[in-house]
Amino acid sequence: EPEVTQTPSHQVTQMGQEVILRCVPISNHLYFYWYRQILGQKVEFLVSFYNNEISEKSEIFDDQFSVERPDGSNFTLKIRSTKLEDSAMYFCASSVGGGNQPQHFGDGTRLSIL
Amino acid sequence: DAKTTQPNSMESNEEEPVHLPCNHSTISGTDYIHWYRQLPSQGPEYVIHGLTSNVNNRMASLAIAEDRKSSTLILHRATLRDAAVYYCILRDVSGANNLFFGTGTRLTVIP
Repeated sequence: EPEVTQTPSHQVTQMGQEVILRCVPISNHLYFYWYRQILGQKVEFLVSFYNNEISEKSEIFDDQFSVERPDGSNFTLKIRSTKLEDSAMYFCASSVGGGNQPQHFGDGTRLSIL
Repeated sequence: DAKTTQPNSMESNEEEPVHLPCNHSTISGTDYIHWYRQLPSQGPEYVIHGLTSNVNNRMASLAIAEDRKSSTLILHRATLRDAAVYYCILRDVSGANNLFFGTGTRLTVIP
């Protein structure tokens, strides 16, 4: 069964450094998402992406964050200048369509900011 | 998104059926009821969704109350692999595509 893959599984970065989290969504999916989960807390929506542009974003997704689909397969999340509070699990998801279509999640990248 | 209420935790014996409740008294006519689960150290996983009628798939069944103010996710025979946090989420098909996760129900399966 096709799946969403995320790399790396664990990223350790110094505060203030830029980090790029990578995702390969399922190949025929058209909608892409990033969520995060701070340890012990809820899964929180960050951003959704469709047709090469952001369709929705949350308050968390400020100017420090950006997303890109640089080619036909990858979907990336960049954090420009990391803060301690960016430490979390970051999950990528994709869906074949919007509305009620199920979202398929990767197993996440654990980001640790030192 | 409309709010849902779930018990914080539940326990079940292995190979017994499990009924996970969800209250959504402020559900609107265009809200679908979705269930996801999150196994330890994994991303969320879609389980099932429905609007008014009960739904079955290979993973579970979804029973929806006639007034739609509550629903129940049914795992017919719990296995150890079903130990996870289960999230009941309302999605308005005409609204945003993002999912709003609550705190869910942590299901413990006892061997």
